[in-house]
Amino acid sequence: GESVGLHLPTLSVQEGDNSIINCAYSNSASDYFIWYKQESGKGPQFIIDIRSNMDKRQGQRVTVLLNKTVKHLSLQIAATQPGDSAVYFCAEIRDDKIIFGKGTRLHILP
Amino acid sequence: DAGVIQSPRHEVTEMGQEVTLRCKPISGHDYLFWYRQTMMRGLELLIYFNNNVPIDDSGMPEDRFSAKMPNASFSTLKIQPSEPRDSAVYFCASRQGGEQFFGPGTRLTVL
Repeated sequence: GESVGLHLPTLSVQEGDNSIINCAYSNSASDYFIWYKQESGKGPQFIIDIRSNMDKRQGQRVTVLLNKTVKHLSLQIAATQPGDSAVYFCAEIRDDKIIFGKGTRLHILP
Repeated sequence: DAGVIQSPRHEVTEMGQEVTLRCKPISGHDYLFWYRQTMMRGLELLIYFNNNVPIDDSGMPEDRFSAKMPNASFSTLKIQPSEPRDSAVYFCASRQGGEQFFGPGTRLTVL
């Protein structure tokens, strides 16, 4: 079936390094993607989004890259900080609904 | 704005009991979503409303689950009777336009 999924369940990164979280999707008709961050005990929080007519979008310390050829999405976090520790979800908008992937836990090493 | 408000934050109940989860969306938002989150299944969309009308309830797992939105500022998710496998964190979210805002969730434990 069509789904949004994540390559790795856990990613450990040294504080100050850049983090890259990857996501694969299978629905080639998807045209809108979102990255969410979920901290422990909280609901998911919007980070950044991208539409299929773009291949890159930048926010504050975050960049999302979209490769439609291989149906791959990535979230890059620059100069990772302890406050970036969380589970990160990629999600796609499908028929007015947000469909979430399984999530990647980002662990920051001191 | 206080954001999406959910109550209770924690609920512990015994199998067979009725459970009601409550949500107050952000004022002015016309979409409301109920999600369930577990380690095994991740974040699952249960049902969503647009302008208080249920649009898609295909994610509701069984007839034991029901949701209502009697007005634009209130929604409930009811489980009757509850079972241990219903234990999860239940999130409510609301949206106006693009960005969707989540509440803090209700952690439900069914013994």
